[in-house]
Amino acid sequence: GEDVEQSLFLSVREGDSSVINCTYTDSSSTYLYWYKQEPGAGLQLLTYIFSNMDMKQDQRLTVLLNKKDKHLSLRIADTQTGDSAIYFCAESYFPSTGGGNKLTFGTGTQLKVEL
Amino acid sequence: GAGVSQSPSNKVTEKGKDVELRCDPISGHTALYWYRQSLGQGLEFLIYFQGNSAPDKSGLPSDRFSAERTGGSVSTLTIQRTQQEDSAVYLCASSLSPTGRATDTQYFGPGTRLTVL
Repeated sequence: GEDVEQSLFLSVREGDSSVINCTYTDSSSTYLYWYKQEPGAGLQLLTYIFSNMDMKQDQRLTVLLNKKDKHLSLRIADTQTGDSAIYFCAESYFPSTGGGNKLTFGTGTQLKVEL
Repeated sequence: GAGVSQSPSNKVTEKGKDVELRCDPISGHTALYWYRQSLGQGLEFLIYFQGNSAPDKSGLPSDRFSAERTGGSVSTLTIQRTQQEDSAVYLCASSLSPTGRATDTQYFGPGTRLTVL
C-alpha cells in the first residue's frame, strides 16, 4: 500500500528559506500535493504537481519532484511568521477505486518560524 | 461564498454511545470525502461520495462506521457504539467535479473533534 513520510519538525528564522521534504512509495501516483493546516483550521491546498513534472513554482513556493527517488519537496522563500503551520504532502492515484480522488497524506511537518 | 462547514465543532461522548457528525459541502460540489485525523494514524481517507452514492468506502475502519448523503448535499457520518480509539478529528472535504478529477481542489472543512471518554 501507499506510504508517505515526512520529518516531524522544522524550525527556521524569519526571512530564511524553508524546505520541507516528503518521500512516497507508490510509483503509480498521479498527483502530489502540499496542504497547509493552521491551528483550529481545516486543510488548505497550497499547490500540486503532476507526476511527469520536475518542478513547479508559484510565487514564494517551489515544488521539486524527483520521481526516480520518490522524493518531493516544498521550498518556501522568505519565510514569514504567518507560514507557521503543519504542512502535509499527499499523493493520489486517479482514478482510484470508484473514480474518486482519495488522498494519502504524509505524517505532517510542523514548521516553526522564529523572529 | 460559504466554505465547507461541519458540526458540531467538538463532541465529547461516552464509550458505547452513538454519534452523528455533519458535513455541509460547498453548494454545487458533487464530490464529498470524509477523512480522519488522529495522533496514531495521521490523516486517513474514510469514504467518498459521488452525488448520493458512495462508490468508495474502503477507508471505513469497521462496520460501526457508516455515512450517507442526501440531496447531493449534506452528509452525515455515524459512529455506533463509540470506542476510545475513535477519538480523532473528522474532516470533510468537497470538490466540484462529479468524477473526482485529480486537479479539482478538495476544500476542507474545519473538522469535528470527537473525544470518546
